[in-house]
Amino acid sequence: DAKTTQPPSMDCAEGRAANLPCNHSTISGNEYVYWYRQIHSQGPQYIIHGLKNNETNEMASLIITEDRKSSTLILPHATLRDTAVYYCIVLRSGSGAGSYQLTFGKGTKLSVIP
Amino acid sequence: GAGVSQSPSNKVTEKGKDVELRCDPISGHTALYWYRQSLGQGLEFLIYFQGNSAPDKSGLPSDRFSAERTGGSVSTLTIQRTQQEDSAVYLCASSPKTGRNTEAFFGQGTRLTVV
Repeated sequence: DAKTTQPPSMDCAEGRAANLPCNHSTISGNEYVYWYRQIHSQGPQYIIHGLKNNETNEMASLIITEDRKSSTLILPHATLRDTAVYYCIVLRSGSGAGSYQLTFGKGTKLSVIP
Repeated sequence: GAGVSQSPSNKVTEKGKDVELRCDPISGHTALYWYRQSLGQGLEFLIYFQGNSAPDKSGLPSDRFSAERTGGSVSTLTIQRTQQEDSAVYLCASSPKTGRNTEAFFGQGTRLTVV
């Protein structure tokens, strides 16, 4: 199963773009890249996911390299409320037909600084 | 409400007692996950329900842990003879469909403390 590597922590100035990198060099052709975040004492929150093409929604943009071995989550205008742990996940198959697991690593702790 | 609901939000129990944790997924969601998160740690997968198929129980840490999902909706995670190492936040999530291309929505979790 594909494993992801993220920096343990990053800082970003309020109002600036936050670019969070993720390496997933062993990703398979049909595995999606998901991003979640967890604000302190809350459940994880879905942000965005993609397969090959870049994706954008109201929260963020996801840039996936052509070889799919890495991706970057972009928060275009970070606010203090974006301070959280951000998880990059490659959805992997579980045991049993049609079973899928979100395997959370340690993520990147993003601190947005005033 | 519109989101995943978990109850209780907090539970303190004595070592050796059994506990039941409840998850009400978003209506119509066919997939349901249970995870746990120990203090300062990442999320650990426990079990996955997908429609009427047999659940994926590969993440359950011991036979003291079990889960049910009745009628394809509400799920209960049961921990028998609780131990102090079971203390964690137990998180439930649901997805509108199974497969690789679907997001999961998490509840706020149940904080379990075993004393």
